[in-house]
Amino acid sequence: TQLLEQSPQFLSIQEGENLTVYCNSSSVFSSLQWYRQEPGEGPVLLVTVVTGGEVKKLKRLTFQFGDARKDSSLHITAAQPGDTGLYLCAGDFTGGFKTIFGAGTRLFVKA
Amino acid sequence: DTGVSQNPRHKITKRGQNVTFRCDPISEHNRLYWYRQTLGQGPEFLTYFQNEAQLEKSRLLSDRFSAERPKGSFSTLEIQRTEQGDSAMYLCASTLSGADGYTFGSGTRLTVV
Repeated sequence: TQLLEQSPQFLSIQEGENLTVYCNSSSVFSSLQWYRQEPGEGPVLLVTVVTGGEVKKLKRLTFQFGDARKDSSLHITAAQPGDTGLYLCAGDFTGGFKTIFGAGTRLFVKA
Repeated sequence: DTGVSQNPRHKITKRGQNVTFRCDPISEHNRLYWYRQTLGQGPEFLTYFQNEAQLEKSRLLSDRFSAERPKGSFSTLEIQRTEQGDSAMYLCASTLSGADGYTFGSGTRLTVV
């Protein structure tokens, strides 16, 4: 069974702080995505990473894919209240049709 | 392009009733997925269509669940004889190539009372 574990489950920080959330699996991903979800809405795709060691930046968000393609991290610099939401990592595995989601990290940024 | 559209947004039904949800994907996307999400969890895979063919169905999906995608366009998800445990957000997503990530709809929140 392919499982994704995300940590921490919940994070509450002050505006302006930096944070990192993690996604780990015992299996190798063929590709990995990060999504952000707000209450009552569907997840919105932030980034897709494919190559081991790959780093992608999206404004204040930095995504890193592990060299072995089994883990990933999302770093947010100078968090803002608008960053509040559920951050989901999701992975595709070789030979599979479907994307497997982690349980997410719920981030709350206080003004 | 209006994105992925799901209807209804909310549905409250009595236990034992049948419900049907609709998903209209992005028109050029040939892959369509249904996921279910409960409170505090990530989306859980239910089923996958490539064009009109249903290629994979989760073992978690009981015989009470059925999905169709006639003509490879919109899709419907039907739940027969609903149970309280079916209460969840039902999400539809579409993609042209799965490795590029999905575009999700806003979901249908089902409450079974």
